[in-house]
Amino acid sequence: GENVEQHPSTLSVQEGDSAVIKCTYSDSASNYFPWYKQELGKRPQLIIDIRSNVGEKKDQRIAVTLNKTAKHFSLHITETQPEDSAVYFCAASTGGNKLVFGAGTILRVKS
Amino acid sequence: DSGVTQTPKHLITATGQRVTLRCSPRSGDLSVYWYQQSLDQGLQFLIQYYNGEERAKGNILERFSAQQFPDLHSELNLSSLELGDSALYFCASSGRTSRTRNEQFFGPGTRLTVL
Repeated sequence: GENVEQHPSTLSVQEGDSAVIKCTYSDSASNYFPWYKQELGKRPQLIIDIRSNVGEKKDQRIAVTLNKTAKHFSLHITETQPEDSAVYFCAASTGGNKLVFGAGTILRVKS
Repeated sequence: DSGVTQTPKHLITATGQRVTLRCSPRSGDLSVYWYQQSLDQGLQFLIQYYNGEERAKGNILERFSAQQFPDLHSELNLSSLELGDSALYFCASSGRTSRTRNEQFFGPGTRLTVL
């Protein structure tokens, strides 16, 4: 079955710097890759996603890139702010099906 | 607010007991997914229902069962509870079109504590 690895497990950045979180997946049939942000005790919130027919997608300060050949995708957050501090999860799916999540990255933005 | 509702928010019970968690999907969504989140296992898929039918099963224990009713709400039943079942249980739903069926929106979760 699908396996998703996520790195790093913890990331500390200064306010205003960029943050990059990387994930790799194992199942070449996966074609949908969302990213979720989860604050302590709250629900995971979908922040951006990418489909396998697209290499990059941007939404304001957030971007996601996908390399299908290498089976990895990354989340890029620019101009980080304290409110970006949370746990970020990547996931992979074959579309309309279960999400297989990475282990999560704790992002701390220091002001 | 995702539009997905879950009740109760918190549940405290004893080992050996049985509980029922309830989920109402976003209006119009046909798919419901259940996930378990624990500190050591992360977010794990349990089971998926689509329009009342079981669609996929993940790491769901035999002591756990679920169903989706004609009004599309879903219930997750956990029986013979063990300490290790303590976790956050999330429900998510996704849309019915080819574009929206991928996007899963999560409810606020039910925090289960087994003492």
